[in-house]
Amino acid sequence: AQSVSQHNHHVILSEAASLELGCNYSYGGTVNLFWYVQYPGQHLQLLLKYFSGDPLVKGIKGFEAEFIKSKFSFNLRKPSVQWSDTAEYFCAVMGTGANNLFFGTGTRLTVIP
Amino acid sequence: DADVTQTPRNRITKTGKRIMLECSQTKGHDRMYWYRQDPGLGLRLIYYSFDVKDINKGEISDGYSVSRQAQAKFSLSLESAIPNQTALYFCATSSSRDGNTEAFFGQGTRLTVV
Repeated sequence: AQSVSQHNHHVILSEAASLELGCNYSYGGTVNLFWYVQYPGQHLQLLLKYFSGDPLVKGIKGFEAEFIKSKFSFNLRKPSVQWSDTAEYFCAVMGTGANNLFFGTGTRLTVIP
Repeated sequence: DADVTQTPRNRITKTGKRIMLECSQTKGHDRMYWYRQDPGLGLRLIYYSFDVKDINKGEISDGYSVSRQAQAKFSLSLESAIPNQTALYFCATSSSRDGNTEAFFGQGTRLTVV
């Protein structure tokens, strides 16, 4: 069975601070990994995705994530956050051969100007 | 225009009423999904469909039913709404033709059951 854990429920940062949001998954095989962002009152939008190749993935708006297979992790990073990054962030995993995306419980990020 | 459209965007209904949430997509995707989002619980899968004739239960299907009227349309019904079905509901689509693709989400339907 697949599962996704996001250990940070709410993160509060000041502008220009660095961000790292944790994501760990459990699945016995090959996975596709995603980070989605949900801005207040909006739907989920894809930030970045990992399917294969370079484990360091760059996404939109300066975000990146690193897939560490040995740790079953796919942490999201941004070197310098902005107020406009205030949103909820969801990690998701799809095991190859599985039928659907499994989501973590989300991390709410608040960036203070 | 949005590629994945949900109607209505907001709905308040009374306990015991039947309600249908509709989803249509112009992306030409074969796979469609219904999720509900609750604070602190993330998104949980209700039902998914890989084709017009293929319907599958997700992790929380009790109290819900779905209909895939066409490849582009996937509706979610609450047969007899109850207050704990108050949530934000999202429809999503993806394609099986490209094995490495993400899901695309609609704008969401905020449902309140009173």
